[in-house]
Amino acid sequence: QVQLQESGPGLVQPSETLSLTCSLSGGSMRSYYWSWIRQPPGKGLEWIGYVYHNGATSINPSLKSRVTLSVDTSKNQFSLRLNSVTAADTAVYYCARAEYILGETRYFFDFWGQGTLVTVPS
Amino acid sequence: DIQMTQSPSSLSASVGDRVTITCRASQTISRSLSWYQQTPGKAPKLLISGASNLQSGVPSRFSGGGSGTDFTLTISSLQPEDFTTYYCQQGYNTPLTFGGGTKVEI
Repeated sequence: QVQLQESGPGLVQPSETLSLTCSLSGGSMRSYYWSWIRQPPGKGLEWIGYVYHNGATSINPSLKSRVTLSVDTSKNQFSLRLNSVTAADTAVYYCARAEYILGETRYFFDFWGQGTLVTVPS
Repeated sequence: DIQMTQSPSSLSASVGDRVTITCRASQTISRSLSWYQQTPGKAPKLLISGASNLQSGVPSRFSGGGSGTDFTLTISSLQPEDFTTYYCQQGYNTPLTFGGGTKVEI
């Protein structure tokens, strides 16, 4: 069974860099799109971006200037770096596996980590 | 970006009721629409992909429909564990986007 687990600091100071890692167990990284999604407290879901197993990325234009995504298939891990954080970046950050099915279905998120709350004090 | 608009944002219902949640895309997305259920403090759980494909293990009281810009999630007979929040998500184009959520309350 595929399992994902986020790790990283729960508190990041303003203007610093948020760094999170997601560890995969029970599956292969090949052929999937490894994603980051965040949810501010009490609000909805925002897709940050994905990294493919070969290192190709797609990042939400709203965050593109601040986000770096990377993958290490030898460790079954992928990572998020978000720089110049502000209080607006306070959220639960989820890692998730996105599957792409050619044709009508396209992208959907079938496995999620439990999420990790990252707080940026104001 | 493709905007996803869910309605209603919340609804009140009773156990056994049939409820329908609507999701509208700002442009056509074929059938690239998924539905998720999120209970408080937990990650979203995939219910339906491709507008109507029920995921393995999801109860058959959940069903999805629609294509193009208008989609529905129907729960045929609400159970106590269904009173939570639901999100739609378009997978047609990046950036991938979610609806604002619908909270189903007792």
